[in-house]
Amino acid sequence: AQTVTQSQPEMSVQEAETVTLSCTYDTSESDYYLFWYKQPPSRQMILVIRQEAYKQQNATENRFSVNFQKAAKSFSLKISDSQLGDAAMYFCAYRSAKGYWGNYQLIWGAGTKLIIKP
Amino acid sequence: DAGVTQSPTHLIKTRGQQVTLRCSPKSGHDTVSWYQQALGQGPQFIFQYYEEEERQRGNFPDRFSGHQFPNYSSELNVNALLLGDSALYLCASSKGQGTYEQYFGPGTRLTVT
Repeated sequence: AQTVTQSQPEMSVQEAETVTLSCTYDTSESDYYLFWYKQPPSRQMILVIRQEAYKQQNATENRFSVNFQKAAKSFSLKISDSQLGDAAMYFCAYRSAKGYWGNYQLIWGAGTKLIIKP
Repeated sequence: DAGVTQSPTHLIKTRGQQVTLRCSPKSGHDTVSWYQQALGQGPQFIFQYYEEEERQRGNFPDRFSGHQFPNYSSELNVNALLLGDSALYLCASSKGQGTYEQYFGPGTRLTVT
């Protein structure tokens, strides 16, 4: 069974600085998707960025980028120029890419609380 | 374009009671997944519905059941509530089989006393 581990319960960063959130996962599959979701106090889960395992290039979305190390099963999120609105819980999630029913669930880490200091 | 909506926003129930939570998917989406998120934890997958059938189920007891209607909306029912069922229940929708991108609703906060 696949597992996702986030070892940082809480991280803090000064506004405008850069922070990296860590995520490791365990799987025997070779084809899968990885995601970072943001959950602000409003509770709604918002997709931040996704990575397809078959792609060697790291995904980037504006100030958010990932460092995907497939061999090490590591998937970290870097937030550049941190803003107050980035304060939230961040969850790493995994999903198999095998295309059949019974395989589409997201498997989640426990989350990292990101605090932005003004 | 309406996103995923859930009702109610929060509710309080007593042990042993039954509860029904509702979800309307994003416009154009036909697949609904339900997750339970206990306080301070990541979500846990409950089940997923497509074409009005339960297609996949996580490690939850039969007290948790669901339904999907022809308009793709969905209900989550929990019978014989336990204190441990207190959590945020998230609904996510997606389009078609295997689409990796899921859109989440704001959740229903259930408190069991």
